[in-house]
Amino acid sequence: GEDVEQSLFLSVREGDSSVINCTYTDSSSTYLYWYKQEPGAGLQLLTYIFSNMDMKQDQRLTVLLNKKDKHLSLRIADTQTGDSAIYFCAVITGTASKLTFGTGTRLQVTL
Amino acid sequence: NAGVTQTPKFQVLKTGQSMTLQCAQDMNHEYMSWYRQDPGMGLRLIHYSVGAGITDQGEVPNGYNVSRSTTEDFPLRLLSAAPSQTSVYFCASSYKSGSELFFGEGSRLTVL
Repeated sequence: GEDVEQSLFLSVREGDSSVINCTYTDSSSTYLYWYKQEPGAGLQLLTYIFSNMDMKQDQRLTVLLNKKDKHLSLRIADTQTGDSAIYFCAVITGTASKLTFGTGTRLQVTL
Repeated sequence: NAGVTQTPKFQVLKTGQSMTLQCAQDMNHEYMSWYRQDPGMGLRLIHYSVGAGITDQGEVPNGYNVSRSTTEDFPLRLLSAAPSQTSVYFCASSYKSGSELFFGEGSRLTVL
């Protein structure tokens, strides 16, 4: 089955850019998502990218997709303390009924 | 518009007890699913449903049952709770499989 990997922790200073990385194994992945989980809450969709795209920008968020290396990244520009959360990468493969989630990356923003 | 509502938010069980986690959505979504979240393991799919009367197993279905008698409700039953089922459980729904998932706020279950 699909395997999705993320590093567990990232710490950045307020105002810097954050880059959260994700790797996956199934080259037929069609939709790739980034979800955000704030403490004590469920997950909320941040952004997504189709597999036929290389990049997607949405305000402070930039998603980069390298299909050859099966690597997805989320860049948050001008990171704020409100961005502190766990970020999950999730991918859909040919069987579109299920999303496979990564382990989540906890982003800590320091002053 | 309530979205996805899960109850209870917290529950403590003894080993061997049974219980049902409730999930309801008011968005007329076809697709509903249950995940469990454990530290360092992300979210793992337990069961899912693509419509009323249709359910299927996910990645970690053992020890759990589901049913989907209506579009709105998708309860998760623990038949005989075990300490390994201590986790945070999330219900999620989407318009159809593959589209944006909307999550409930989670149910934290502790099995002693």
